[in-house]
Amino acid sequence: NAGVTQTPKFRVLKTGQSMTLLCAQDMNHEYMYWYRQDPGMGLRLIHYSVGEGTTAKGEVPDGYNVSRLKKQNFLLGLESAAPSQTSVYFCASSSLSGGAEDTQYFGPGTRLTVL
Amino acid sequence: GQNIDQPTEMTATEGAIVQINCTYQTSGFNGLFWYQQHAGEAPTFLSYNVLDGLEEKGRFSSFLSRSKGYSYLLLKELQMKDSASYLCAVSPFSGSYQLTFGKGTKLSVIP
Repeated sequence: NAGVTQTPKFRVLKTGQSMTLLCAQDMNHEYMYWYRQDPGMGLRLIHYSVGEGTTAKGEVPDGYNVSRLKKQNFLLGLESAAPSQTSVYFCASSSLSGGAEDTQYFGPGTRLTVL
Repeated sequence: GQNIDQPTEMTATEGAIVQINCTYQTSGFNGLFWYQQHAGEAPTFLSYNVLDGLEEKGRFSSFLSRSKGYSYLLLKELQMKDSASYLCAVSPFSGSYQLTFGKGTKLSVIP
């Protein structure tokens, strides 16, 4: 049981390049999330998904796109990277039981630098 | 909208007790989570409060007052490994759907 995994762990891009970050979870969770974490800003929600084939915008969606073609995978795309997208990206997943144990489980993060 | 406030940094001595406060003003509230995040690592779940009162879990306890929009995380018998950031997060729905996070409190434990 690997939990939530993210690929890649580190990446350096040049301005204007594109890339896709992959998140996978093996806990059969319905909900998946993408966050970015910047110094002094905390975790901010980019996009989320409540199930296979569905996505929705979070707090800071501009410049990103997502897809959830399979329940266990959630992809985050940057079509034309900008230096402002330099950040640490975390993926998370949770179940929809609504109980006290219904926490979000986080992946190890992807450290992205855009030059 | 959501507004969540936590102190930016705190320092405490090994073996001591420290209280990390979190105040929130939100358009909807169902429950409050606390997460721990060591430098360079992912956040991990510590506690979840829905009802008013204190929830104790080993050396860590978390308190919630819904009427005051206030929570705190209490860490007892501090250890060096407790040096980390502590994140307060609020959910307007049951469970952890649509969490809004505070900016986190960086705790340094000194000998």
